[in-house]
Amino acid sequence: EAGVAQSPRYKIIEKRQSVAFWCNPISGHATLYWYQQILGQGPKLLIQFQNNGVVDDSQLPKDRFSAERLKGVDSTLKIQPAKLEDSAVYLCASSLSPGAPSTDTQYFGPGTRLTVL
Amino acid sequence: SQKIEQNSEALNIQEGKTATLTCNYTNYSPAYLQWYRQDPGRGPVFLLLIRENEKEKRKERLKVTFDTTLKQSLFHITASQPADSATYLCALEDGGFKTIFGAGTRLFVKA
Repeated sequence: EAGVAQSPRYKIIEKRQSVAFWCNPISGHATLYWYQQILGQGPKLLIQFQNNGVVDDSQLPKDRFSAERLKGVDSTLKIQPAKLEDSAVYLCASSLSPGAPSTDTQYFGPGTRLTVL
Repeated sequence: SQKIEQNSEALNIQEGKTATLTCNYTNYSPAYLQWYRQDPGRGPVFLLLIRENEKEKRKERLKVTFDTTLKQSLFHITASQPADSATYLCALEDGGFKTIFGAGTRLFVKA
């Protein structure tokens, strides 16, 4: 079974530039998550999709971050404009569906390490 | 306020010993709790899930306990090996279909 794919793996940009990350979840997984993980911290949920609808985006800085999941499969996360504090690893994960122990196990991609200079 | 706390200091143990990691939480009533392993430069990998009505769960050398009265989960690795060195994250379901992760505890197993 193919895992969660993410690209790029690394990205270095100047502050105020824009950047986009791509995620392809495991086939058949309805739920897709984007997390931000700052060095030394646990993953922080930015946005959660169920199929192509947003379930939770309460911690997404909407003035600069946006995300979409077209056709309920692939997803992109964009930052525009980037700030120094956005330097982190951006993880994408997928699961069958949330809220139930039998289906809530999340499978993570390798992440994208973003450095904002 | 709601919090999940894991030992922020790294845990150093000798090969063959049992490693015990702690996860405490406040102001949550999770129906289940999960433990993940994260290696440097990689995403977390699921290890075990324990439900609120389960006291203990085992998988090979791993054991997890869940005490909803103490609001605590313990994660044990028996007969630890250097390959067990990683960061271990606990994660709980917040009652609203959202998973909240702790900051993780780094484990170093010395040969």
